[in-house]
Amino acid sequence: QSALTQPASVSGSPGQSITISCTGSSSDIGTYKYVSWYQQHPGKAPKLIIFDVSDRPSGLSNRFSGSKSGNTASLTISGLQTEDESVYYCSSYTRSSTWVFGGGTKLTVL
Amino acid sequence: QVQLQEAGPGLVKPSQTLSLTCTVSGGSINSGNYYWSWIRHHPGKGLEWIGYIFYSGSTYCNPSLKSRLTMSIDTSKSQFSLELSSVTAADAAVYYCASASTVSTYFDYWGQGILVTVSS
Repeated sequence: QSALTQPASVSGSPGQSITISCTGSSSDIGTYKYVSWYQQHPGKAPKLIIFDVSDRPSGLSNRFSGSKSGNTASLTISGLQTEDESVYYCSSYTRSSTWVFGGGTKLTVL
Repeated sequence: QVQLQEAGPGLVKPSQTLSLTCTVSGGSINSGNYYWSWIRHHPGKGLEWIGYIFYSGSTYCNPSLKSRLTMSIDTSKSQFSLELSSVTAADAAVYYCASASTVSTYFDYWGQGILVTVSS
């Protein structure tokens, strides 16, 4: 199974918005609404920030939003804050009843 | 809130078997609500799903690891385990245990992770 494709890095200034793409195939993102996103700070475990394409866990800032079109999912972070600087991973359930992750995108807040 | 904690040796010799255990607290391991999963993170690379075990003992795993992977569960100890045989340097990674809800398919709780090095 192939990993989902994410850009290696994105950057933005405080207050701006950024979008991270995640491209899969008709075997994963294109078939299911089961796309999730995780934030991982150095040395920490990944933290769920988006599930089922666009839902947020209780208590998570609404600055984080998700969407999907065809085989590509996207994570948008609005009103960038310095604490958003992290690595972000997308994930999708697949037709093979497995999970696949993206390679990760490093967000730099300038 | 479910908490997970990995344990096991941080150093494994090439060709030997990597064995890790995950202890679950704050929730019932045999509730049937979760797929108890293993995920690893290779240095400088993305995350890789390894497999999961259900409370009943049924398992499902990444086809690329299937021939070397054994997973088990001990509900009396609230633990589930992973054994990966014939390890090579390619198996060096941070290993996480995590829970995935059976009503959806996201990993909501994660352990802190354990770094496994493969070296003689």
